[in-house]
This record gives sequence, C-alpha cells and structure tokens, in this order.
Amino acid sequence: EIVLTQSPGTLSLSPGERATLSCWASQSVSSSYLAWYQQKPGQAPRLLIYGASSRATGIPDRFSGSGSGTDFTLTISRLEPEDFAVYYCQQYGSSPYTFGQGTKLEIK
Amino acid sequence: QVHLVQSGAEVKEPGASVKVSCRASGYTFTTYYIHWVRQAPGQGLEWMGLINPSGGSTTYSQKFRGRVTMTRDSSTSAVYLELSSLRSEDTAVYYCARDLGVVLAPANNYFDPWGQGTLVTVSS
Repeated sequence: EIVLTQSPGTLSLSPGERATLSCWASQSVSSSYLAWYQQKPGQAPRLLIYGASSRATGIPDRFSGSGSGTDFTLTISRLEPEDFAVYYCQQYGSSPYTFGQGTKLEIK
Repeated sequence: QVHLVQSGAEVKEPGASVKVSCRASGYTFTTYYIHWVRQAPGQGLEWMGLINPSGGSTTYSQKFRGRVTMTRDSSTSAVYLELSSLRSEDTAVYYCARDLGVVLAPANNYFDPWGQGTLVTVSS
C-alpha cells in the first residue's frame, strides 16, 4: 500500500498570500495518478486536481498542481477567504487508493 | 446537475450490520462507476471499494473484503453499501462518490461529485 504524507499539518496564512502544500508518496505513483481534494467543515470533499496537474471542471486557475514520482505540490496563488479548508492528496495508481492525512489551511 | 443523495444517520450495536444507500440523479446511472469512501471522526479518508452500476461487478479494498457488500438497483438509480460485523472503529461518515470515468473503460479511481455523507455510529 502506498502511504501518502502531507506537509505541513497546518498552514497559517492571510488572504492574498500564496499557499504551497506538499504530498510525498512512500513509492512512486504510476503515471502521476495523483489527485487533490478540498474539504470544508461539515461538507464532502471536492475534487480540485487530477493527473497531478489537471484542474477539475469549474476550479479557479489560482489552484495548480505539479510533481511526479513521489513528490507532489498543490499551489494556491492568491488565497481567497473561501480557500481556507482541509486539503487531501490521493493516489489512484495502485490499489488500495490511498489518501494523505490532510493539510489544514487556516486564516492567520 | 449531478447529485448523489445518501440515506440518513444510523446507530448500530457492535456485531450488527448496516446498509447505506446512495441515489444518483442528473445523469445516466449505468454510465459511471460509484465508489465508497469513509472518514472516521476527525480523521482522513479511506477508500473501501467500487461498483459498476451497469453489470453490478465490484472491487473491494482488501481491508474490508469479507465484511463489505456493494450492490445496485438500476430501477431506482441507487447503490448500496452493506458493512457487517460492525465494531467501534467503523464509526465514521460514509460517502459515495462518482468516478470520473465511464464503465466502458477501466475506472479512473478519482472522485467527483460526492454524496453528502452518512454518519454511522457503532456503540453499545
């Protein structure tokens, strides 16, 4: 099973700042089969990025993904108030499809 | 608009079984795989398995094999998750989520949209 480790656990930033979230895999994720989700309190997750760098339908272009192999990054270029949430990475290259433990993005 | 609507919260005793439903609307039900993912209180996400609503074939995470059954009812556009031999560690919110891929090809195994979630509490 591929273990995903996200860093940092909590990120405190202000609106307008740039956020960089990391996701490391215990082994290489085949074909960059890596997705990112956003989850707000009391809500289901929402898909942001798939294929490591492709934005899902309706996702603003301030969200971008990059990386390959074992190192992946989600960047939010300029934080909006609605972006403060928990973010999860997920690998879907190898069953079981596993998630990271999450990064909480909070308002500073 | 695509919607997945799940059944309400459940409270079960240890050793019992629970069955959660997920009704799809806004698209052709038999076209897309449906997955189940759970989230323990304050914890991360855990993939449980998927079902092909067209033929009913399933793939389960090895962790849940033997305790989980996923079924579908095409007449009502619903899929079901049944989990047996419940223990306290199964207390979680259970989500259904649609695959981005169509059933004519292998599942993509990433998920959007998701149902609203069903809280299952296992307690004596």
